[in-house]
Amino acid sequence: GDSVTQMEGPVTLSEEAFLTINCTYTATGYPSLFWYVQYPGEGLQLLLKATKADDKGSNKGFEATYRKETTSFHLEKGSVQVSDSAVYFCALSRAGGTSYGKLTFGQGTILTVHP
Amino acid sequence: GAVVSQHPSRVICKSGTSVKIECRSLDFQATTMFWYRQFPKKSLMLMATSNEGSKATYEQGVEKDKFLINHASLTLSTLTVTSAHPEDSSFYICSARDTFYEQYFGPGTRLTVT
Repeated sequence: GDSVTQMEGPVTLSEEAFLTINCTYTATGYPSLFWYVQYPGEGLQLLLKATKADDKGSNKGFEATYRKETTSFHLEKGSVQVSDSAVYFCALSRAGGTSYGKLTFGQGTILTVHP
Repeated sequence: GAVVSQHPSRVICKSGTSVKIECRSLDFQATTMFWYRQFPKKSLMLMATSNEGSKATYEQGVEKDKFLINHASLTLSTLTVTSAHPEDSSFYICSARDTFYEQYFGPGTRLTVT
């Protein structure tokens, strides 16, 4: 079945540091890939997505590139801020069929950014 | 952006009782809603897919008689945990899908069964 594996957390960084959160996936076909963010006390929010190989999703300074050859979708940000402290989830969704729209999540990575 | 609410945000109930959790899409219509369960330090696990006006589709291993889902309108889906037991204690999250197939998540409901 489909699965998503994220790097173990928690990740602790100083403000303005470079961030990478690794994500790899296993799925048949050509899934869409997502990064969601969950701020304390809030629901998950879509951060960015990519729907086909070599696509780059970007939002709020975060980027991730859909790499089919390595089945990866690593999240990066060049300079993190304290306000980026949250839990980040990598996820995939099948493109069609009865599984359309269902999200398979990674285990989540807690990010804490210190001033 | 689209907003999804859940009620209650927290609930404590005694073992053997039933608890209903509501999921509402506040500013859009959602023909499909999803229910997830999140264990501590674990990922979200999809429990079921709820389609307006039809029976929910449950994931393998999820007891449909224990987790009753009703999606009676385009803006409301409910999850009822029947005869709750301590092992049902968890964080339950719903999401609603709009006509552009974008999913929006509710803030979650913390269920504690004593």
